[in-house]
Amino acid sequence: DIQMTQSPSSLSASVGDRVTITCRASQGIRNDLGWYQQKPGKAPERLIFAASSLQSGVPSRFSGSGYGTEFTLTISSLQPEDFATYYCLQHNSFPWTFGQGTEVELK
Amino acid sequence: QVQLVESGGGVVQPGRSLRLSCAASGFTFYASGMHWVRQAPGKGLEWVAVVSYDGGNKLYADSVKGRFTISRDNSQNTLYLQMNSLRAEDTAVYYCAKPDSYDRGYDGWGQGTLVTVSS
Repeated sequence: DIQMTQSPSSLSASVGDRVTITCRASQGIRNDLGWYQQKPGKAPERLIFAASSLQSGVPSRFSGSGYGTEFTLTISSLQPEDFATYYCLQHNSFPWTFGQGTEVELK
Repeated sequence: QVQLVESGGGVVQPGRSLRLSCAASGFTFYASGMHWVRQAPGKGLEWVAVVSYDGGNKLYADSVKGRFTISRDNSQNTLYLQMNSLRAEDTAVYYCAKPDSYDRGYDGWGQGTLVTVSS
């Protein structure tokens, strides 16, 4: 199974800050990775697919990068509605596996 | 617009069974593989199972293999998860999820249904 190591597990930031979250795969997964945002009591929503493609309707302050084993989600200027938990998901091979999640909290 | 509505969750004793359903609309259900994903209280997301568009191929997480069965009824646009021999560690919100057309992760999720395994 492919293990996804996500860091940090939590971070505190202020509105307007630039935020970076990283996922590392235990083996190469090409660009078969997505990023998801989850708010309390809600289902996750996809932000990024194919490592760097922005999901329709998602603000352009979200961006993704990476290939192979190292991937990054960046929020260029954190907004109040962005305080949530973020997960990466690899879909290169079954079982699909998620990172452990990063909780973005208000500083 | 993709809509997925889960039902069937509840409180069940260890060792008992439960069947979850997911009613789908807004897309061509019979042409799409479908997944179940779960989330234990306060924990992260865990992939559970997948079924191919025609029901002919199924895969499971090791944690549920031999106990859970995923199935679908394309005539009813409904996905199922039969859960047998339930354990306390199966307590979670269960989501049905639709992969996008190229299997690049999920572009649709249900609202989730809570399963609590407790005596």
